Amino acid sequence: KQEVTQIPAALSVPEGENLVLNCSFTDSAIYNLQWFRQDPGKGLTSLLLIQSSQREQTSGRLNASLDKSSGRSTLYIAASQPGDSATYLCAVDQGGSEKLVFGKGTKLTVNP
Amino acid sequence: GAGVSQTPSNKVTEKGKYVELRCDPISGHTALYWYRQSLGQGPEFLIYFQGTGAADDSGLPNDRFFAVRPEGSVSTLKIQRTERGDSAVYLCASSLTAGNVGYTFGSGTRLTVV
Repeated sequence: KQEVTQIPAALSVPEGENLVLNCSFTDSAIYNLQWFRQDPGKGLTSLLLIQSSQREQTSGRLNASLDKSSGRSTLYIAASQPGDSATYLCAVDQGGSEKLVFGKGTKLTVNP
Repeated sequence: GAGVSQTPSNKVTEKGKYVELRCDPISGHTALYWYRQSLGQGPEFLIYFQGTGAADDSGLPNDRFFAVRPEGSVSTLKIQRTERGDSAVYLCASSLTAGNVGYTFGSGTRLTVV
């Protein structure tokens, strides 16, 4: 059974810092991995998707990497801003089914 | 509509009651998903529809939970004999087709069973 773990559970940083969120998964036979953002009382917004054949994806100040063989992904946020404060969720798609398996998330607070 | 709409946004019910949660997907999206998110946890898969049929209901926790999508658009998640452990945020998502990673999630229904 696939398990997804995110470390740390919470992170507080001053504005302007670069930071890294970590995600690990137990079964490396994944189809893709996605990073989502969740704001309080809101649904999930997809940030980046990495296919299993890819090593990284970039969007603006966000960069996500994938090391499938070691079961790890990182989300790098450059020059953090207070508006980045949210919970960041990692999810893997096993392929062969339509379900995503999520981690518990990392709650990020960026202080002005 | 422009996004996935879920109603109600909040629902408080007494233990043992029946509840229905509604999801209006983006028009034209054939794939629809229900997830449940308990406090401090990530979302957990419940059920996936492709068109009108439930293609994968393996995440439904027990037979008190049932979902329908009779016309391939709006879906209703039904919970019978609610228990306090059913309290969670129920999230709905849709995508254009199966295997399409362009998921759009709704804001969820927060269900509280007292």
